[in-house]
Amino acid sequence: AQKITQTQPGMFVQEKEAVTLDCTYDTSDPSYGLFWYKQPSSGEMIFLIYQGSYDQQNATEGRYSLNFQKARKSANLVISASQLGDSAMYFCAMREGGTGRRALTFGSGTRLQVQP
Amino acid sequence: DAGVIQSPRHEVTEMGQEVTLRCKPISGHNSLFWYRQTMMRGLELLIYFNNNVPIDDSGMPEDRFSAKMPNASFSTLKIQPSEPRDSAVYFCASSPEGLTNEKLFFGSGTQLSVL
Repeated sequence: AQKITQTQPGMFVQEKEAVTLDCTYDTSDPSYGLFWYKQPSSGEMIFLIYQGSYDQQNATEGRYSLNFQKARKSANLVISASQLGDSAMYFCAMREGGTGRRALTFGSGTRLQVQP
Repeated sequence: DAGVIQSPRHEVTEMGQEVTLRCKPISGHNSLFWYRQTMMRGLELLIYFNNNVPIDDSGMPEDRFSAKMPNASFSTLKIQPSEPRDSAVYFCASSPEGLTNEKLFFGSGTQLSVL
């Protein structure tokens, strides 16, 4: 079974609008971390935001916020006031804490295109 | 402070040749990861090390792939013999301890093309 599911292969958004990128996850581990990375066309992986399973509040980092719904096992990324430079692939990832496994498992990604 | 350094950035080789990819993690980071990215399979974990010891190599595709970490500042991923289906971007990443809340710091990747 997929650990991380990103159901939107591609998304379009107008510049200055907000956009939500979906991510659902599957784990039975009570301790886990959720991450979002951005990969522009240049190829590097850029960390955006982190949410821990025990965090009471949704994470925010500048224009990025994470809509964490634990019961639904979803961790959607919200980008406010989109900019042309936000056009990139976005990956959701999870690290489970209780199994001793310390690698991140990535979703298939969503390609975001910001239109002027 | 320098980030994760990978070399080479690009590698073009012929089927059957040996390929060696190199990685220098961030100083002080004890966990090192090798990922492979392809269009078909996305980002896959190949292997990760903690304190230079391989912890999980279940993602290594087959015996043609091997990885070593002889010391805390250097790791290699070797493919011998290489095949066209090995063409991909190979990322190395590191994190301080591999704890649940630690992000991975990625290198720039090696674009491998096997002809």
